[in-house]
Amino acid sequence: DIQLTQSPSFLSASVGDRVTITCRASQGISSYLAWYQQKPGKAPRLLIYAASTLQSGVPSRFSGSGSGTEFTLTIISLQPEDFATYYCQQLNNYPRSFGQGTKLEIK
Amino acid sequence: EVQLVESGGGLVKPGGSLRLSCAASGFTFSSYTMNWVRQAPGKGLEWVSSISSDSNYIYYADSMKGRFTVSRDNAKNSLYLQMNSLRAEDTAVYYCTMSRPVTGPYDYWGQGTLVTVSS
Repeated sequence: DIQLTQSPSFLSASVGDRVTITCRASQGISSYLAWYQQKPGKAPRLLIYAASTLQSGVPSRFSGSGSGTEFTLTIISLQPEDFATYYCQQLNNYPRSFGQGTKLEIK
Repeated sequence: EVQLVESGGGLVKPGGSLRLSCAASGFTFSSYTMNWVRQAPGKGLEWVSSISSDSNYIYYADSMKGRFTVSRDNAKNSLYLQMNSLRAEDTAVYYCTMSRPVTGPYDYWGQGTLVTVSS
């Protein structure tokens, strides 16, 4: 089974900052990685798939990169609505797996 | 507009059973893989199960194998999750999601239904 490890688990930042979240896979998953955003009490929302493809309607301040075992989600110029929890998910193998999440909080 | 609406959650005693349903609309249901993902209170996302568009391929997380059964009815645009031998650790919000076949991400999610396993 593939394990995904996100770092950091918690991140404190200010509006306007640039932040980067890393997701490492226990084995290679090519580019079959997605990123989701979740706000309290809401369902997750797809942000990025295929490691770097922005989902329709997602602001361009979000970007993803990586392949193989190391991936990053970058948010430039943080907006108030970006403070949420972010999850990566691998779609290369079953069982599917998610990272443990990164909670992005306002500093 | 894509809609996924889960139902069937509630309070059940340990060892009990529950059947979740997900009503889909706004897309060609029979063309998509459907999935269940759960989230325990205050915890992260956990993949539960996936079923291919034609029901020929079904996958489960190890901790649910033998206890949970996923199924779908393409004529009714519906997805189901039969949960048996429920444990306290199955307490979670269960989300229905859709994805393009094979390696598609989870494009849309339902609002979730809460399952509470407690005596």
